[in-house]
Amino acid sequence: NAGVTQTPKFRILKIGQSMTLQCAQDMNHNYMYWYRQDPGMGLKLIYYSVGAGITDKGEVPNGYNVSRSTTEDFPLRLELAAPSQTSVYFCASSYHSGRANYEQYFGPGTRLTVT
Amino acid sequence: GESVGLHLPTLSVQEGDNSIINCAYSNSASDYFIWYKQESGKGPQFIIDIRSNMDKRQGQRVTVLLNKTVKHLSLQIAATQPGDSAVYFCAEKKGNTGKLIFGQGTTLQVKP
Repeated sequence: NAGVTQTPKFRILKIGQSMTLQCAQDMNHNYMYWYRQDPGMGLKLIYYSVGAGITDKGEVPNGYNVSRSTTEDFPLRLELAAPSQTSVYFCASSYHSGRANYEQYFGPGTRLTVT
Repeated sequence: GESVGLHLPTLSVQEGDNSIINCAYSNSASDYFIWYKQESGKGPQFIIDIRSNMDKRQGQRVTVLLNKTVKHLSLQIAATQPGDSAVYFCAEKKGNTGKLIFGQGTTLQVKP
């Protein structure tokens, strides 16, 4: 299994540009998440999904959008990029059933700079 | 409000010594806790987890202790090695959604 994959690894955007961060998992996990990590800080949840067609906001959703059309893919869309969105973005997935452990598997991250 | 925080931002230990990384949480209703290790330039990697009905859980060279009375979580690493150098995060589960709340992180530096 490839686990959780993210593309691109790095990206530089100009203020006002848009882009989509791609995330895919091949573990048949039903839950997927997007986090951002600012320098020296922990992870903040942007959006999450409990299954295809279902998404919900996390702690810091403003400026982002998501969709979940398949179990495998969970892209994150940035509209009108702002310098405050400069961060490292991590996608994660987990499997939930009646007695799940809630362990989340993380991708390698996308480092985004908005100038 | 809810918070998961770590007592010390940086911990420096000698190779071969034991390391103890601490974490405080404020939500007494949290029922699941997890420790992650993040090496430079990589995503967080699962180390060990513990449910609130347990006080202690052991893995390979790692032990997690949970003290619900004082809402404190710790990660003990035995015989710390250079490869243990990383940022360590604790996280607690919020509700039944599977969402985790992460603390700020502790940087572990292992001196040769």
